[in-house]
Amino acid sequence: QQPVQSPQAVILREGEDAVINCSSSKALYSVHWYRQKHGEAPVFLMILLKGGEQKGHEKISASFNEKKQQSSLYLTASQLSYSGTYFCGTELNNDMRFGAGTRLTVKP
Amino acid sequence: GAVVSQHPSRVICKSGTSVKIECRSLDFQATTMFWYRQFPKKSLMLMATSNEGSKATYEQGVEKDKFLINHASLTLSTLTVTSAHPEDSSFYICSARDSQGIYEQYFGPGTRLTVT
Repeated sequence: QQPVQSPQAVILREGEDAVINCSSSKALYSVHWYRQKHGEAPVFLMILLKGGEQKGHEKISASFNEKKQQSSLYLTASQLSYSGTYFCGTELNNDMRFGAGTRLTVKP
Repeated sequence: GAVVSQHPSRVICKSGTSVKIECRSLDFQATTMFWYRQFPKKSLMLMATSNEGSKATYEQGVEKDKFLINHASLTLSTLTVTSAHPEDSSFYICSARDSQGIYEQYFGPGTRLTVT
């Protein structure tokens, strides 16, 4: 079952913040976040395993709600290099399903 | 960090021919490898899960006889697209899970297949 990702696209100015959401109808084993630049493979950002977990990586952080059905990715003080498509990957039975992706564009 | 390679990066073949794509984990052992297909501006679609030493598990709608997967060792999985047709043209990406790791997957750089 593919997770539902929102929004589909977002345009930001440098320095602005964004939130990308990922939700599932079932409790998940884990949530993975990836960023993909055009023509390239996805790059792993972070993984969340526990309900209520929050994790950060420089100015990009993520949370996993207590029920393990929703995760959000937070991008603060966005930089031009943050542009790309962000995918959440959710895991139930040793396989990974990806959301439809959120296209993030950061403009100067 | 963990590195996954894919070969070839690009391939153009004629209809009816077969193409083999290799996926290698370079600095770790991968009990499980995944094969995805991605259309332009779309998400990654899981095609199959490949486990070392056993048969791959295919997703619904993916033809086993058309997309042959072999996971012969802990560092190599291959995807063979048999009797390729233009509609098989796509970006194929593999990922590998470190056997010793904590569940993250590392993606290869992808293979762009064009069938003429």
